[in-house]
Amino acid sequence: AQKVTQAQTEISVVEKEDVTLDCVYETRDTTYYLFWYKQPPSGELVFLIRRNSFDEQNEISGRYSWNFQKSTSSFNFTITASQVVDSAVYFCALSEDAGGSTLGRLYFGRGTQLTVWP
Amino acid sequence: NAGVTQTPKFQVLKTGQSMTLQCAQDMNHEYMSWYRQDPGMGLRLIHYSVGAGITDQGEVPNGYNVSRSTTEDFPLRLLSAAPSQTSVYFCASSLGTASGNTIYFGEGSWLTVV
Repeated sequence: AQKVTQAQTEISVVEKEDVTLDCVYETRDTTYYLFWYKQPPSGELVFLIRRNSFDEQNEISGRYSWNFQKSTSSFNFTITASQVVDSAVYFCALSEDAGGSTLGRLYFGRGTQLTVWP
Repeated sequence: NAGVTQTPKFQVLKTGQSMTLQCAQDMNHEYMSWYRQDPGMGLRLIHYSVGAGITDQGEVPNGYNVSRSTTEDFPLRLLSAAPSQTSVYFCASSLGTASGNTIYFGEGSWLTVV
Protein backbone atom coordinates (compact mmCIF):
# COMPACT_ATOMS: atom_id res chain seq x y z
CA ALA A 1 0.00 0.00 0.00
CA GLN A 2 1.14 3.50 -0.73
CA LYS A 3 2.43 5.18 2.41
CA VAL A 4 1.99 8.63 0.92
CA THR A 5 -0.89 9.48 -1.36
CA GLN A 6 -1.13 12.58 -3.43
CA ALA A 7 -4.48 12.14 -5.10
CA GLN A 8 -4.16 15.20 -7.34
CA THR A 9 -2.04 14.29 -10.33
CA GLU A 10 -2.32 17.67 -12.02
CA ILE A 11 -3.68 21.04 -11.00
CA SER A 12 -3.98 24.13 -13.18
CA VAL A 13 -4.71 27.58 -11.82
CA VAL A 14 -4.50 31.12 -13.03
CA GLU A 15 -1.99 33.44 -11.48
CA LYS A 16 -3.03 34.96 -8.13
CA GLU A 17 -5.37 32.12 -7.32
CA ASP A 18 -4.84 30.18 -4.12
CA VAL A 19 -4.17 26.48 -4.51
CA THR A 20 -4.00 23.59 -2.05
CA LEU A 21 -2.04 20.41 -2.68
CA ASP A 22 -3.27 17.42 -0.74
CA CYS A 23 -1.14 14.81 0.98
CA VAL A 24 -2.40 11.84 2.97
CA TYR A 25 0.01 9.51 4.70
CA GLU A 26 -0.12 6.16 6.41
CA THR A 27 2.13 5.00 9.22
CA ARG A 28 1.94 2.98 12.43
CA ASP A 29 4.80 4.86 14.04
CA THR A 30 4.00 7.49 16.64
CA THR A 31 7.11 9.44 15.69
CA TYR A 32 7.54 10.36 12.07
CA TYR A 33 8.46 13.25 9.84
CA LEU A 34 6.74 14.77 6.87
CA PHE A 35 8.37 16.68 4.07
CA TRP A 36 7.45 18.68 1.00
CA TYR A 37 9.80 19.01 -1.94
CA LYS A 38 9.45 21.11 -5.08
CA GLN A 39 10.73 19.95 -8.44
CA PRO A 40 10.77 22.80 -10.98
CA PRO A 41 11.06 22.16 -14.72
CA SER A 42 14.84 22.24 -14.41
CA GLY A 43 14.56 18.95 -12.50
CA GLU A 44 16.29 19.48 -9.17
CA LEU A 45 14.55 18.69 -5.89
CA VAL A 46 14.16 21.64 -3.59
CA PHE A 47 13.44 21.09 0.09
CA LEU A 48 10.50 23.17 1.32
CA ILE A 49 9.57 22.01 4.80
CA ARG A 50 9.91 19.29 7.42
CA ARG A 51 7.43 18.71 10.24
CA ASN A 52 7.56 16.14 13.01
CA SER A 53 4.61 14.19 14.27
CA PHE A 54 4.56 15.94 17.64
CA ASP A 55 4.11 19.40 16.22
CA GLU A 56 0.69 19.97 14.74
CA GLN A 57 0.99 23.72 14.52
CA ASN A 58 0.39 25.09 11.09
CA GLU A 59 3.30 26.85 9.49
CA ILE A 60 3.42 29.84 7.21
CA SER A 61 6.37 30.95 5.14
CA GLY A 62 5.58 33.86 2.89
CA ARG A 63 2.98 32.70 0.39
CA TYR A 64 3.35 29.08 1.49
CA SER A 65 1.47 27.47 4.34
CA TRP A 66 1.13 23.93 5.60
CA ASN A 67 -1.74 22.35 7.47
CA PHE A 68 -0.82 19.23 9.44
CA GLN A 69 -3.73 17.23 10.89
CA LYS A 70 -2.94 13.94 12.60
CA SER A 71 -6.63 13.14 12.98
CA THR A 72 -6.96 12.83 9.23
CA SER A 73 -3.32 11.85 8.52
CA SER A 74 -2.98 14.79 6.21
CA PHE A 75 -0.27 17.34 5.54
CA ASN A 76 -1.65 19.75 2.99
CA PHE A 77 0.24 22.55 1.30
CA THR A 78 -1.33 25.83 0.25
CA ILE A 79 0.14 28.45 -2.03
CA THR A 80 -1.52 31.82 -1.68
CA ALA A 81 -1.63 34.20 -4.64
CA SER A 82 0.10 31.72 -6.92
CA GLN A 83 2.70 32.86 -9.41
CA VAL A 84 3.97 31.41 -12.68
CA VAL A 85 7.26 30.55 -10.94
CA ASP A 86 5.33 28.20 -8.66
CA SER A 87 4.78 25.88 -11.61
CA ALA A 88 6.48 22.62 -10.65
CA VAL A 89 5.91 19.10 -9.44
CA TYR A 90 5.41 18.98 -5.70
CA PHE A 91 6.22 15.88 -3.69
CA CYS A 92 5.08 14.99 -0.23
CA ALA A 93 7.25 12.47 1.64
CA LEU A 94 7.23 10.53 4.89
CA SER A 95 10.11 9.40 7.08
CA GLU A 96 9.27 6.89 9.82
CA ASP A 97 11.02 6.72 13.15
CA ALA A 98 11.68 2.97 13.22
CA GLY A 99 13.07 3.00 16.75
CA GLY A 100 14.94 6.28 16.42
CA SER A 101 16.68 5.64 13.15
CA THR A 102 14.91 6.02 9.86
CA LEU A 103 18.08 5.46 7.90
CA GLY A 104 17.14 8.63 6.11
CA ARG A 105 14.62 6.78 4.00
CA LEU A 106 11.86 8.82 2.48
CA TYR A 107 8.63 7.40 1.14
CA PHE A 108 7.43 9.67 -1.62
CA GLY A 109 4.02 10.32 -3.00
CA ARG A 110 3.69 10.29 -6.76
CA GLY A 111 3.70 14.05 -6.99
CA THR A 112 1.29 16.77 -8.08
CA GLN A 113 2.06 18.75 -11.21
CA LEU A 114 1.05 22.35 -10.59
CA THR A 115 0.74 24.67 -13.57
CA VAL A 116 0.15 28.34 -12.96
CA TRP A 117 -1.00 30.26 -16.03
CA PRO A 118 -0.36 33.97 -16.43
CA ASN B 1 22.12 22.59 -4.00
CA ALA B 2 23.40 21.87 -0.49
CA GLY B 3 26.70 20.35 -1.67
CA VAL B 4 25.57 17.10 -3.33
CA THR B 5 27.17 16.73 -6.74
CA GLN B 6 26.14 14.16 -9.31
CA THR B 7 27.83 13.31 -12.60
CA PRO B 8 27.06 12.88 -15.42
CA LYS B 9 23.89 14.90 -15.80
CA PHE B 10 22.89 13.12 -19.00
CA GLN B 11 23.90 9.73 -20.37
CA VAL B 12 22.76 7.42 -23.13
CA LEU B 13 23.72 3.77 -22.88
CA LYS B 14 23.22 0.75 -25.06
CA THR B 15 21.60 -2.32 -23.56
CA GLY B 16 24.23 -4.43 -21.85
CA GLN B 17 26.73 -1.63 -21.29
CA SER B 18 27.96 -0.80 -17.83
CA MET B 19 28.44 2.59 -16.28
CA THR B 20 28.86 4.38 -12.98
CA LEU B 21 26.91 7.36 -11.74
CA GLN B 22 29.06 9.43 -9.44
CA CYS B 23 27.86 11.16 -6.29
CA ALA B 24 29.91 13.29 -3.94
CA GLN B 25 29.01 15.46 -0.96
CA ASP B 26 31.18 17.91 0.93
CA MET B 27 29.08 18.24 4.08
CA ASN B 28 30.56 15.29 5.98
CA HIS B 29 27.18 13.59 5.92
CA GLU B 30 27.04 10.02 7.20
CA TYR B 31 24.02 8.96 5.27
CA MET B 32 23.88 8.73 1.48
CA SER B 33 21.36 7.13 -0.81
CA TRP B 34 20.28 6.69 -4.39
CA TYR B 35 16.72 7.11 -5.65
CA ARG B 36 15.24 6.68 -9.08
CA GLN B 37 12.35 8.72 -10.39
CA ASP B 38 9.99 7.35 -13.00
CA PRO B 39 6.93 9.08 -14.48
CA GLY B 40 3.98 8.95 -12.12
CA MET B 41 5.92 6.93 -9.53
CA GLY B 42 7.57 9.48 -7.29
CA LEU B 43 11.04 8.56 -6.07
CA ARG B 44 12.00 5.07 -4.98
CA LEU B 45 15.03 4.09 -2.93
CA ILE B 46 17.63 1.92 -4.68
CA HIS B 47 20.51 1.60 -2.18
CA TYR B 48 21.65 3.48 0.85
CA SER B 49 24.68 3.79 3.09
CA VAL B 50 24.90 4.81 6.75
CA GLY B 51 28.65 5.35 6.63
CA ALA B 52 31.89 4.39 4.93
CA GLY B 53 32.05 0.65 4.33
CA ILE B 54 28.34 0.07 5.03
CA THR B 55 25.68 -0.27 2.36
CA ASP B 56 22.26 -1.88 2.13
CA GLN B 57 19.44 -2.39 -0.32
CA GLY B 58 16.42 -0.19 -0.68
CA GLU B 59 13.14 -0.78 -2.43
CA VAL B 60 14.38 -1.39 -5.99
CA PRO B 61 18.01 -2.65 -5.82
CA ASN B 62 18.08 -5.16 -8.66
CA GLY B 63 20.54 -4.34 -11.43
CA TYR B 64 22.50 -1.85 -9.33
CA ASN B 65 25.61 -2.06 -7.23
CA VAL B 66 27.07 0.41 -4.75
CA SER B 67 30.09 0.84 -2.53
CA ARG B 68 31.09 3.44 0.05
CA SER B 69 34.86 3.58 0.41
CA THR B 70 34.88 7.17 1.69
CA THR B 71 32.43 9.39 3.53
CA GLU B 72 32.28 11.77 0.57
CA ASP B 73 31.56 9.42 -2.33
CA PHE B 74 28.76 6.99 -3.11
CA PRO B 75 28.87 5.74 -6.71
CA LEU B 76 26.02 3.77 -8.28
CA ARG B 77 27.00 1.11 -10.79
CA LEU B 78 24.83 -0.35 -13.51
CA LEU B 79 26.46 -3.67 -14.34
CA SER B 80 24.50 -4.49 -17.51
CA ALA B 81 22.11 -1.71 -18.46
CA ALA B 82 18.55 -2.56 -19.45
CA PRO B 83 15.85 -0.32 -20.97
CA SER B 84 13.91 -0.64 -17.69
CA GLN B 85 16.70 1.34 -16.06
CA THR B 86 15.90 4.39 -18.13
CA SER B 87 15.13 6.88 -15.41
CA VAL B 88 16.23 9.96 -13.55
CA TYR B 89 18.58 9.16 -10.70
CA PHE B 90 18.99 11.24 -7.60
CA CYS B 91 21.69 10.97 -5.02
CA ALA B 92 20.89 12.24 -1.53
CA SER B 93 22.71 12.81 1.70
CA SER B 94 21.88 13.72 5.27
CA LEU B 95 23.74 14.44 8.46
CA GLY B 96 22.91 11.11 10.03
CA THR B 97 20.34 8.45 10.51
CA ALA B 98 18.54 10.19 13.36
CA SER B 99 14.94 10.77 12.57
CA GLY B 100 14.12 14.08 11.06
CA ASN B 101 17.46 15.00 9.57
CA THR B 102 16.76 16.83 6.37
CA ILE B 103 17.78 14.97 3.25
CA TYR B 104 19.44 16.99 0.51
CA PHE B 105 19.36 15.91 -3.11
CA GLY B 106 21.75 16.27 -6.00
CA GLU B 107 20.55 17.76 -9.26
CA GLY B 108 19.77 14.44 -10.87
CA SER B 109 21.21 12.28 -13.63
CA TRP B 110 19.10 11.54 -16.69
CA LEU B 111 19.88 8.06 -18.01
CA THR B 112 18.50 6.57 -21.22
CA VAL B 113 19.13 2.94 -22.12
CA VAL B 114 18.45 2.07 -25.75
